[in-house]
Amino acid sequence: DIVLTQTPLSSPVTLGQPASISCRSSQSLVHGNGNTYLHWLQQRPGQPPRLLIYEVSSRFSGVPDRFSGSGAGTDFTLKISRVEREDVGVYYCVQTTRAPYAFGQGTKLDIK
Amino acid sequence: EIQLVESGGGLVKPGGSLRLSCAASGFTFSSAYMGWVRQAPGKGLEWVGHVESKNDGGTIDYAAPVKGRFTISRDDSKNAVYLQMNSLKPEDTGVYYCTWVIPGWGQGILVTVSS
Repeated sequence: DIVLTQTPLSSPVTLGQPASISCRSSQSLVHGNGNTYLHWLQQRPGQPPRLLIYEVSSRFSGVPDRFSGSGAGTDFTLKISRVEREDVGVYYCVQTTRAPYAFGQGTKLDIK
Repeated sequence: EIQLVESGGGLVKPGGSLRLSCAASGFTFSSAYMGWVRQAPGKGLEWVGHVESKNDGGTIDYAAPVKGRFTISRDDSKNAVYLQMNSLKPEDTGVYYCTWVIPGWGQGILVTVSS
């Protein structure tokens, strides 16, 4: 089974400063059809998860452009260009390339 | 607007059963892969399982901790997906989310397994 490892697990950030989260997979996430099904979710306190980025780098509808995703193969990154207070929460990478699907452990983002 | 509404949660004794339902709207359900994800109190997200669209074969897959105990099914005529949970254990306690893999998420429903 594929294992996703996120770093860091906790990230205190100053408002207006950038933040970056890494997600490393134990196997390549390139599907047989050539697509890479690695996505990023945000979960604010007390809320269900919300899709931010799908297939490595595509922003979902309504997601601010300060969020961006990059990477390939086994190494992926979520970047927030300037952290705002509403960005506080836990961020998860998730792969749907190969069953069983799997999440990273989550990275808690809070404000310094 | 994508809507996913879970129902059927509650308190159940260890060894008992529960059936969760998820009513979907706002997207083409028959073409969607549907899944269940859970979150134990204070913990991260855990994939429970998913069912492919019938067009893509309808394969169902489960995470190791629930394989043999949980069953996912779908009814495209009702735009609904179900999670039948048998032989429940205390470690199955948590909030269960229905998801249209991966864009849509329900609000979640609490399942508590306790004597």
